[in-house]
Amino acid sequence: DTGVSQNPRHKITKRGQNVTFRCDPISEHNRLYWYRQTLGQGPEFLTYFQNEAQLEKSRLLSDRFSAERPKGSFSTLEIQRTEQGDSAMYLCASSLSSGNEQFFGPGTRLTVL
Amino acid sequence: AQSVTQLDSQVPVFEEAPVELRCNYSSSVSVYLFWYVQYPNQGLQLLLKYLSGSTLVKGINGFEAEFNKSQTSFHLRKPSVHISDTAEYFCAVSGTNAGKSTFGDGTTLTVKP
Repeated sequence: DTGVSQNPRHKITKRGQNVTFRCDPISEHNRLYWYRQTLGQGPEFLTYFQNEAQLEKSRLLSDRFSAERPKGSFSTLEIQRTEQGDSAMYLCASSLSSGNEQFFGPGTRLTVL
Repeated sequence: AQSVTQLDSQVPVFEEAPVELRCNYSSSVSVYLFWYVQYPNQGLQLLLKYLSGSTLVKGINGFEAEFNKSQTSFHLRKPSVHISDTAEYFCAVSGTNAGKSTFGDGTTLTVKP
């Protein structure tokens, strides 16, 4: 088991473009979470899945953000029509459904020019 | 809903000195509590967690924390720090029936020689 992986590690895009990030969780973990972290702040919850079901989505999350976990394994996070305010580190984490210890990936750093 | 307040944004300390990083939380439900460490350009790594039982929790790298329900605190301590402990530390809380975690804004620990 190699832990949670995220791709790409860095993404630079122009305002208005769409971007998609991928997260591969620890294989036996049923839960998968997405967080966003900006400089000087802690991770902010975006959404989470149990298997393929999206169980909770932050009400702060714009409609431009969408996440999927189609087969209950890897997940994708898409941001449409990116804005400069979307620049942040996007973190993925996974856990067993029976516990709440989350294992984090290295993150994808998004820069919107 | 839960919230977390990390009372010190920066803590400078000399090598081999003791350190305490303070964390207070608020919640209307029973909680699990966590401390994570984040080294530069890396993901979050779990230091320790409180789920139930003994209020004194021991974690990796010689860290420990004490859960105080009456004061709604979960302070992190280490009796003697090393240069390698220099990092960002995050306190987090989740409801025992919830999936997501709510993080504080972090404390930057800087260990000086």
